[in-house]
Amino acid sequence: NAGVTQTPKFQVLKTGQSMTLQCAQDMNHEYMSWYRQDPGMGLRLIHYSVGAGITDQGEVPNGYNVSRSTTEDFPLRLLSAAPSQTSVYFCASSPHPPLPGGTVGLDYNEQFFGPGTRLTVL
Amino acid sequence: AQKITQTQPGMFVQEKEAVTLDCTYDTSDQSYGLFWYKQPSSGEMIFLIYQGSYDEQNATEGRYSLNFQKARKSANLVISASQLGDSAMYFCAMRESLSGNTGKLIFGQGTTLQVKP
Repeated sequence: NAGVTQTPKFQVLKTGQSMTLQCAQDMNHEYMSWYRQDPGMGLRLIHYSVGAGITDQGEVPNGYNVSRSTTEDFPLRLLSAAPSQTSVYFCASSPHPPLPGGTVGLDYNEQFFGPGTRLTVL
Repeated sequence: AQKITQTQPGMFVQEKEAVTLDCTYDTSDQSYGLFWYKQPSSGEMIFLIYQGSYDEQNATEGRYSLNFQKARKSANLVISASQLGDSAMYFCAMRESLSGNTGKLIFGQGTTLQVKP
């Protein structure tokens, strides 16, 4: 298994350009998510998906779109890049989504992270 | 208010010694999970250890153990017999049942660990 893969590894954009960050996993995981990592702020959830055809917003969704047409792929789209979107982007997956209201403390549900994409917007 | 607090921005440890990385958390949830991740200079996030709020025993994974003190809301990571390859940034994270099916992990700001030969 390749695990979670992300492309590209590095990208430089100009303000206003659009691009898609690719994420794929070959573990048949239902749940996938996107995080961004900014200095001194840890990681923050952008969007997530609990299965093919189902996506929803996380903590910082503005400026980003996602889709999930297959179990394997979960691309993140920047429609009009802004300097505030300069960050490192991580895609993650886990075998199953958390159950709403489920007992997290008993639900060991490791998230596997991809290698990250370092994006700079000038 | 910070949900996950890692008060040590940077730490040094001598090779082969043990080191404790601090993590305190804030939640009103009874059901939550605590995670530690390692991020080496290459940038990837590597899962180390998990502790569920209902687990009565401290989690252990090889040289990693989690010192879980529920009443104090702390989940410190202990690395025994440090190795040069342990030099990295370490993140504590929490998932609450309040987050529903978002799967959202709340991360601390991280602690940079440097292991000295």
